[in-house]
Amino acid sequence: GDSVTQMEGPVTLSEEAFLTINCTYTATGYPSLFWYVQYPGEGLQLLLKATKADDKGSNKGFEATYRKETTSFHLEKGSVQVSDSAVYFCALSDPWVGDMRFGAGTRLTVKP
Amino acid sequence: NAGVTQTPKFQVLKTGQSMTLQCAQDMNHNSMYWYRQDPGMGLRLIYYSASEGTTDKGEVPNGYNVSRLNKREFSLRLESAAPSQTSVYFCASSERTGGNNEQFFGPGTRLTVL
Repeated sequence: GDSVTQMEGPVTLSEEAFLTINCTYTATGYPSLFWYVQYPGEGLQLLLKATKADDKGSNKGFEATYRKETTSFHLEKGSVQVSDSAVYFCALSDPWVGDMRFGAGTRLTVKP
Repeated sequence: NAGVTQTPKFQVLKTGQSMTLQCAQDMNHNSMYWYRQDPGMGLRLIYYSASEGTTDKGEVPNGYNVSRLNKREFSLRLESAAPSQTSVYFCASSERTGGNNEQFFGPGTRLTVL
């Protein structure tokens, strides 16, 4: 079945460092891909999404490009802030299946 | 606009007790979901309802039942709680299932079963 594998954490960076969180997927069809963020004590919020190959999703300085050839959707940010500290989840949604599949999550801590 | 609301926020049960987690959304979404979140395992789908009047099993349905009461409300029931059901439970909703439909999440219910 469809699945998502994302980079194990936790990840600790200094403020203004470059961030990459790797995400790869397995799917039989042509899924849409998402990154969600979870701040402490809260539910998940959509960060960005891409619906077809070569699409780039972006929001709040974060970017991810849908790469069909490598089945990847890596999350990047050029300069992280302390306020970016959270857990990040990669997810996919197949158009023919009702549910969304999530990766295990990557905890990011940004230190001043 | 409240989005997705869940009650209660916290709950402690003894093994064998029952309880119902409530979820409501005010976005006129057709589809609703229940997930559990365990450390290192991401979110796993328990049940979902693609539209009012329908429910389907997800990845981990055993030990749970659901009711789609109306378009707004989707409840999750534990008939006989077990320590393995200690988890954080999230309700979510979306306009439709699948494809590029974003899911909107509630704040979660932290459940401990002793």
